[in-house]
Amino acid sequence: AQSVTQPDIHITVSEGASLELRCNYSYGATPYLFWYVQSPGQGLQLLLKYFSGDTLVQGIKGFEAEFKRSQSSFNLRKPSVHWSDAAEYFCAAWWGGGADGLTFGKGTHLIIQP
Amino acid sequence: EPEVTQTPSHQVTQMGQEVILRCVPISNHLYFYWYRQILGQKVEFLVSFYNNEISEKSEIFDDQFSVERPDGSNFTLKIRSTKLEDSAMYFCASSRTSGRVMSTDTQYFGPGTRLTVL
Repeated sequence: AQSVTQPDIHITVSEGASLELRCNYSYGATPYLFWYVQSPGQGLQLLLKYFSGDTLVQGIKGFEAEFKRSQSSFNLRKPSVHWSDAAEYFCAAWWGGGADGLTFGKGTHLIIQP
Repeated sequence: EPEVTQTPSHQVTQMGQEVILRCVPISNHLYFYWYRQILGQKVEFLVSFYNNEISEKSEIFDDQFSVERPDGSNFTLKIRSTKLEDSAMYFCASSRTSGRVMSTDTQYFGPGTRLTVL
């Protein structure tokens, strides 16, 4: 079955340090891939998406993600985190084939230490 | 920037009661969706809606659930007789084009309604 895995439930990073959040997808065919962020009381905001082409995708708020077909991964990165980056991050995928809905991972809760 | 809004932000209800969750999608969007997230679990797709009818629904979306676009702006999710296991965060989303042709489109999400069934 199609699935998205975010292996880290919580990640703690010091302010100013680099960040990498992991995401893996299953089911052979390459899906369209998304990263969403949810701050407390806010909706799911799209950070970036990958459909095709350049495997390094730039998003908002200084985030980027790299698609690696060989590893079925789409990891999110940021070179230097800010306290305002503390939030829940969701990786999602869409495989098409007549389906409308996105398949989400469980999310990674990012904590920023001062 | 246009955004999806949802009301209420938190709803508490007794088991067996009917609840209606409301969403106002982005105004020029044509496709609407409901997702839910049970605490500690994944965000799950419930249903998509286009042209006043259900486009796709998941196995979660059983006869207890219904969706409606009662006017030109609102999109609602009704749960007829709530169960304890319906307690979750419910997200509404909208997009300009169908999820089936998502080559360039994106689903925009609202802030969610937290439903607590006692």
